[in-house]
Amino acid sequence: AQTVTQSQPEMSVQEAETVTLSCTYDTSESDYYLFWYKQPPSRQMILVIRQEAYKQQNATENRFSVNFQKAAKSFSLKISDSQLGDAAMYFCAYRSARNTDKLIFGTGTRLQVFP
Amino acid sequence: AAGVIQSPRHLIKEKRETATLKCYPIPRHDTVYWYQQGPGQDPQFLISFYEKMQSDKGSIPDRFSAQQFSDYHSELNMSSLELGDSALYFCASSPVGGAHYGYTFGSGTRLTVV
Repeated sequence: AQTVTQSQPEMSVQEAETVTLSCTYDTSESDYYLFWYKQPPSRQMILVIRQEAYKQQNATENRFSVNFQKAAKSFSLKISDSQLGDAAMYFCAYRSARNTDKLIFGTGTRLQVFP
Repeated sequence: AAGVIQSPRHLIKEKRETATLKCYPIPRHDTVYWYQQGPGQDPQFLISFYEKMQSDKGSIPDRFSAQQFSDYHSELNMSSLELGDSALYFCASSPVGGAHYGYTFGSGTRLTVV
């Protein structure tokens, strides 16, 4: 069974600085998708960025980028130029490319942003 | 842009009562997913529907049932409620073959069982 691990329950960053959130996963599959979701106090789950396992190039979305290391099964999220609005719970998630709809989430990292 | 609509936003029920949660997917999204997020926990997959048929099933208790209707909205029915059912229930939707792009989640229904 696949598992997703986020080893940092909480992280903090100063406004305008850069922070990296860690995520590792365990799978025997070679084809899958990885996601980072943000859950602010409003509770809504917002997709931040996605990565396809067969693509070596790291995904980037504005200030958000990932460092995808397939061999190490690592999928970290880097937030550059942090803003107060980035404060939220961040969940890493895995989805098999096989015939399943299930997203497997990590336990989340709470990010605090200080002015 | 239209989002995934969930109702009600909050629901308080007593033990052993029944609750029905509703989800209206984004227009032209034909796949609906339900997740349960307990306090301080990560979301857990319950069930999904594609074209009104159940397409995948996760850790959904037998006391829960769900269906998708002809207009693609979905309802999660929860009976014999227990205190442990108190959680945030998310619905998400995606277009056919588009789940790998990531779902769009609704704002959730917070169910409190007292």
